[in-house]
Amino acid sequence: DTVLTQSPALAVSLGQRVTISCKASESVSSSSYSYMHWYQQKPGQQPKLLIYHASNLESGVPARFSGSGSGTDFTLNIDPVEADDIATYFCQQSWNDPYTFGAGTKLELK
Amino acid sequence: EVQLVESGGGLVQPGRSMKLSCAASGFTFSNYGMAWVRQAPTKGLEWVATISYDGSSTYYRDSVKGRFTISRDNAKSTLYLQMNSLRSEDTATYYCTTGNYFFAYWGQGTLVTVSS
Repeated sequence: DTVLTQSPALAVSLGQRVTISCKASESVSSSSYSYMHWYQQKPGQQPKLLIYHASNLESGVPARFSGSGSGTDFTLNIDPVEADDIATYFCQQSWNDPYTFGAGTKLELK
Repeated sequence: EVQLVESGGGLVQPGRSMKLSCAASGFTFSNYGMAWVRQAPTKGLEWVATISYDGSSTYYRDSVKGRFTISRDNAKSTLYLQMNSLRSEDTATYYCTTGNYFFAYWGQGTLVTVSS
């Protein structure tokens, strides 16, 4: 299975820029698309799609979220971080079978 | 507004069966692939199964192949997950989601607890 590695936690200050990384154990990109997607989950809630195919912002998601990367290295950026962004962020790949998720990065306030 | 409402979860003994349902509304259900994703308590997310928009193709993770069956009734806008021979490691909240490659909409989830 494709393993997606994320840092377990990141401490952030409101208003700063934060970068959350996701490294895949094998490529999750074709010649046309990267099959890496990002979700936000708050305690007791279902996940919410933020970014699909590495860099496409889902409708209704604030423009302070952005994604980039290809191959095995991907990042989710939040700039600037707001209080409502304190949550856990998961990456997910859908290029290799089975689809896999990262273990999540929990954003915490400094 | 897209709504996905799961039902059918609860406590079940190991080796027994359970069927989950997901009632969809707010979009043209028959146009979309659908999936089940689960999350064990305090754990991460795990893709379980996907079904194509017309039900002609299904895909499963290895650990549930031969035990779980994903199906849909487009006339009723409902997704199903039949789970047989349940194991303790199947204990999780099961989410109904839309999409083939990424999951745009999620239900609130239904908790399945496999325990004697």
